[in-house]
Amino acid sequence: AQSVTQLDSHVSVSEGTPVLLRCNYSSSYSPSLFWYVQHPNKGLQLLLKYTSAATLVKGINGFEAEFKKSETSFHLTKPSAHMSDAAEYFCVLLTGFQKLVFGTGTRLLVSP
Amino acid sequence: DADVTQTPRNRITKTGKRIMLECSQTKGHDRMYWYRQDPGLGLRLIYYSFDVKDINKGEISDGYSVSRQAQAKFSLSLESAIPNQTALYFCATSEGEGPEQYFGPGTRLTVT
Repeated sequence: AQSVTQLDSHVSVSEGTPVLLRCNYSSSYSPSLFWYVQHPNKGLQLLLKYTSAATLVKGINGFEAEFKKSETSFHLTKPSAHMSDAAEYFCVLLTGFQKLVFGTGTRLLVSP
Repeated sequence: DADVTQTPRNRITKTGKRIMLECSQTKGHDRMYWYRQDPGLGLRLIYYSFDVKDINKGEISDGYSVSRQAQAKFSLSLESAIPNQTALYFCATSEGEGPEQYFGPGTRLTVT
């Protein structure tokens, strides 16, 4: 079965400190993986994507993620959190049937 | 102007009523999707369409139907709404077999 597990439902950081949002995947195929962000009362926006090229993927707003096949992980990081980063983040797997499978989401809280 | 629009943005309806949610896109994409989002569950696929003549059920299609009126329009109907269909509904589009999906702003539906 193809699935995505986001290990934390909530993550709290202080502004200026690093962000780590964890994601593990299960896939029978070589996976395509994404991180999407959802700000309050907004739709989803693509942060970054991995499609079997470089294992370290850079996205928008200073975020990046590293694909680790040996650990079946695709964690999202940012060196320094900003207040505007407060949102819900979804790790997403593209299945062999061209459908997206979403994780349950991690809500990032950023305090001053 | 937004590339993917959804109408209405908010709707409150009563149990047993028929309701239609509409999605339009100006991206020229051939593939369109309907998802629902529930707290703690991420997004789940209801229906998807790879072109005007191709409609497919997703993982939670019971109680829903769809219509692809044109390449740019994809409507979701609840024939007889029930309270557990209260959720945030998203429409998305993608191009060909490209993995990236583009989301509309969402429709918040409440069934009382």
